[in-house]
Amino acid sequence: SQQGEEDPQALSIQEGENATMNCSYKTSINNLQWYRQNSGRGLVHLILIRSNEREKHSGRLRVTLDTSKKSSSLLITASRAADTASYFCATVEIGGYQKVTFGTGTKLQVIP
Amino acid sequence: DTGVSQDPRHKITKRGQNVTFRCDPISEHNRLYWYRQTLGQGPEFLTYFQNEAQLEKSRLLSDRFSAERPKGSFSTLEIQRTEQGDSAMYLCASSLGRGNSYEQYFGPGTRLTVT
Repeated sequence: SQQGEEDPQALSIQEGENATMNCSYKTSINNLQWYRQNSGRGLVHLILIRSNEREKHSGRLRVTLDTSKKSSSLLITASRAADTASYFCATVEIGGYQKVTFGTGTKLQVIP
Repeated sequence: DTGVSQDPRHKITKRGQNVTFRCDPISEHNRLYWYRQTLGQGPEFLTYFQNEAQLEKSRLLSDRFSAERPKGSFSTLEIQRTEQGDSAMYLCASSLGRGNSYEQYFGPGTRLTVT
């Protein structure tokens, strides 16, 4: 079963704009991760945020986590055509043997 | 390090046949995961190995599915008596398994089509 639900399901923006994707989940987590998937490179880990962290940055990526609302957001700044992909949030539950549960994904299209 | 590899990349089989997929993780990784992904959905967890021990299995893994990881290196996923509903991308991932290293490295997947 899917743990997280991403919102929106699809997003289309112009190159240079920022893209924001949201993820909601259901259980208590150890950490939350974001992955990107495109046909060229498969599924790739982008960033991990632990349950005791509220915000994390990596290059053009900014992730926030609100454990009280069981939600996370991924912001991609200054988007590029190469950012076109599906983005998934994934959670590791507390005591979950490091089982990673993926959400349903947001399909991002960046128009050059 | 060549990353996680999976074989075959594509498999077409007739309903009722058995199929076996192989996954070779990154060599120093002791955790190995299998997922199934259908079109428009995120990967769904199937099973997880720590070294050669299979620690968790999803309810999705019916008795027609079996996974092994002999000697804690490569892993195989077998599906017996395939059904059309088994058509999907089967993904393998590995992770380091030390401390709090949760980052998973995924292989390219095996796309199964059951006709």
